[in-house]
Amino acid sequence: AQSVTQLDSHVSVSEGTPVLLRCNYSSSYSPSLFWYVQHPNKGLQLLLKYTSAATLVKGINGFEAEFKKSETSFHLTKPSAHMSDAAEYFCVVSPHPNTGGFKTIFGAGTRLFVKA
Amino acid sequence: DSGVTQTPKHLITATGQRVTLRCSPRSGDLSVYWYQQSLDQGLQFLIQYYNGEERAKGNILERFSAQQFPDLHSELNLSSLELGDSALYFCASTPDRALGNEQFFGPGTRLTVL
Repeated sequence: AQSVTQLDSHVSVSEGTPVLLRCNYSSSYSPSLFWYVQHPNKGLQLLLKYTSAATLVKGINGFEAEFKKSETSFHLTKPSAHMSDAAEYFCVVSPHPNTGGFKTIFGAGTRLFVKA
Repeated sequence: DSGVTQTPKHLITATGQRVTLRCSPRSGDLSVYWYQQSLDQGLQFLIQYYNGEERAKGNILERFSAQQFPDLHSELNLSSLELGDSALYFCASTPDRALGNEQFFGPGTRLTVL
């Protein structure tokens, strides 16, 4: 069965310090993995995606994520948090476009707070 | 701006009523997805349409139905509304029917059932 677990419901960091949002997944198939961000009262926006190319994926706004198959993880990081990064972040596991097999599953979300 | 539009932005109605939410995908996108986001259930996939036909079904209640029209816009119909149906409803679109592609989300419709 496929699943995705975001290990922290809330993360609080100070502006200028690193951000780490953790995501573990389970998939019987080779998955595609995504991180989306949702600002208050807005729709979801894609931050980055992994589809079996490079394991270190760079996204928008300085975010990146590393696919670690042995640890079944896809953690999201950013070297230095900005106040505008305060939002909810969703890790998503989806079937690879070439294999299919299951439906897209969203994690429960991690709310990021950034303190001045 | 993702290019996906949803109307209305807000909807307030009473229990037992029926509402219709509308979504226009990005120009050229053939697939439309509907999601429900609530505080207790998180973001739940409801249903996907591709070029007018139902492609995949998620946790969609029997009281809910959707369709995609020849011009590719989609409507989500919610009937016999209950308090628990209060949520944000998002639609998203992709160019094709594969489930593993990036989805472009609309701004959502906030439904409040009183």
